[in-house]
Formats: sequence, structure tokens, C-alpha cells
Amino acid sequence: EVQLVQSGAEVKKAGESLKISCRGSGYDFPGYWIGWVRQMPGKGLEWMGIVFPRNSDTRYSPSFQGQVTISADKSISTAYLQWSSLEASDTAMYYCARVRGHQLAQNWFDPWGQGTLVTVSS
Amino acid sequence: QSVLNQPPSASGTPGQTVTISCSGSSSNIGINTVNWYQQLPGTAPKLLIYSDNQRPSGVPDRFSGSKSGTSASLAISGLQSEDEADYYCATWDDSLNGVFGGGTKLTVL
Repeated sequence: EVQLVQSGAEVKKAGESLKISCRGSGYDFPGYWIGWVRQMPGKGLEWMGIVFPRNSDTRYSPSFQGQVTISADKSISTAYLQWSSLEASDTAMYYCARVRGHQLAQNWFDPWGQGTLVTVSS
Repeated sequence: QSVLNQPPSASGTPGQTVTISCSGSSSNIGINTVNWYQQLPGTAPKLLIYSDNQRPSGVPDRFSGSKSGTSASLAISGLQSEDEADYYCATWDDSLNGVFGGGTKLTVL
């Protein structure tokens, strides 16, 4: 069974750094892109970016480029989303998801991780 | 403001057919395939439709997707109370990479 298991909830202060994780199992982890999606409280889904674990190629949404870093360690089948300096506006649920499809322009997310809630206090 | 426009809400009574629209442009829906996700309250999103009109294994055939030009639609027939959820369209944009619609909250009356 293909599964993505995310790290637990985090409570941080503004200005702190943070790295959350997403571990994949049940499939060839290096061979599939992994994406991150933000959902702020009471709001919709926002596409943040994706990483290809085999060669660490990344694509970001212009809205998130420079704001976060997406990476992966194929040796432990884990993808990461990190911040160097959190802001209160980073408070949200963050989901990882595996990318399916033969090319990025025709891709979809399946399955999804359970989500990691990040709370940042000012 | 999302690149893909969805109505914020939709509603129907049990047994009815409800359609949710998703309007984009020539740089996204017009040239790339559309996917739909269902998010039940308090849970992670789940893939509902991919590649415009394909259903993953386990998704009832009451759910169907279609696309024409720069717009796509999700139809839910035989509406059931458990269909009450948020629905999101998504696609690839040649300038922005991946994009989601703003989401539609479906209420079963």
C-alpha cells in the first residue's frame, strides 16, 4: 500500500526555523515527484512546490519561491518542507502528496499525507 | 484570488445532480488536464477525478468530470449526504506551475 506519513504538529515562535517531513512507503520513492500544499485556517488549497527525489529537481509556485525550501533524501524516502524564519502568517496545515502522471503538465496528487499543523505565534 | 475560478458554494437535495464549474485560461485548463479533489470535513484531500474525466479505483461512478475549452466541470449525480464536502479543481499552469481553484463548499440539504 502506498502511504505518506507526515511529522507531527509543531508550535513555534515567529523568527524560528522549522523543517517538517513526509515519509513515503510502498512504492519507488526516488522515481516520483512529491508535492507540498498549504491550507490556511478556513481557506482553500494552495500549491507550493514539488521535488523529484531521484535528482532533487524542484519546481516552486512563484508565491512560495524564496519563502520555503523543498528537498528530499531518497536514502530514507523522505521529503521536507522548511522555513528559515517563520512568520505568524505561516500558520496553516501543510500536506504532502505524491505526484502521478507521465509529465508534469498532466499530473495529479495521489495519495496525500495526513497533514502537519504548523502554528506560529508572534 | 485563485487562477482557477470556482463558485464558493453549491447545494442540492438527496438524489439530485449537482454540477460544480471551474473556469481557467489558455495557459492552464486550455492546454492541460484537470483534476478534482474532495475534502471531507477535518480530513486530508482525496483524489476524485484525474486527467479531466478519469475516476480512480474506489470512486463511485456518481462522480464524473468533463472539460471544454478553458472550463471544466464536476458532476455529482444521485447526491448523498456523505457527499457534503469541499471540492477543488486543479491543473498545471505554464507560468505558475500547479494551481488550485478556490474551492466549492457543497451542502446537501
